[in-house]
Amino acid sequence: GESVGLHLPTLSVQEGDNSIINCAYSNSASDYFIWYKQESGKGPQFIIDIRSNMDKRQGQRVTVLLNKTVKHLSLQIAATQPGDSAVYFCAEGAGGTSYGKLTFGQGTILTVHP
Amino acid sequence: ETGVTQSPTHLIKTRGQQVTLRCSSQSGHNTVSWYQQALGQGPQFIFQYYREEENGRGNFPPRFSGLQFPNYSSELNVNALELDDSALYLCASSLAPLGGSEQYFGPGTRLTVT
Repeated sequence: GESVGLHLPTLSVQEGDNSIINCAYSNSASDYFIWYKQESGKGPQFIIDIRSNMDKRQGQRVTVLLNKTVKHLSLQIAATQPGDSAVYFCAEGAGGTSYGKLTFGQGTILTVHP
Repeated sequence: ETGVTQSPTHLIKTRGQQVTLRCSSQSGHNTVSWYQQALGQGPQFIFQYYREEENGRGNFPPRFSGLQFPNYSSELNVNALELDDSALYLCASSLAPLGGSEQYFGPGTRLTVT
């Protein structure tokens, strides 16, 4: 099973800076990848997704990069704001005929200082 | 359009007891997935329901069971509660079970087993 730990990776940035959150995924057969934001006391909130046949996708203030060679995913947040402070999770999912099970990473705590 | 709702918000049970958690899916969504999120970890997939049947299961014992109703709402039942069952239980709904990348999460039910 997965290792248990209460010490999530953390990232502290100043308001207005760009943030980069990284994630290593495990299944080379995963068909899509999603970034979620989770604020205290709330469920995960969808940010952006990317299919395995893409290497970059942009949204509003966010960009996801996928490197399948090294099984690495990153989320870039431009002009980070205090409201971006949360725990960020990457998740991978299998497509095709399999069910929509998501496998989540450990998470990264992002703290934005005014 | 209503979002995913869960009840109750918080629950305290004693080891050995049984618990039922409830989820109402987002309007128009026919698929419900349940996740367990232990403190400091990412959510772990329990199972998914589609058309009132279990449509995939994660690495959880049979004492975790569920139901889906004709209106797509769902229940998660846990028998013979153990201390390690203490966690945030998340429900997510989606339009389809096959590779759906946009699962919308509810706020969760915080279960404490003493």
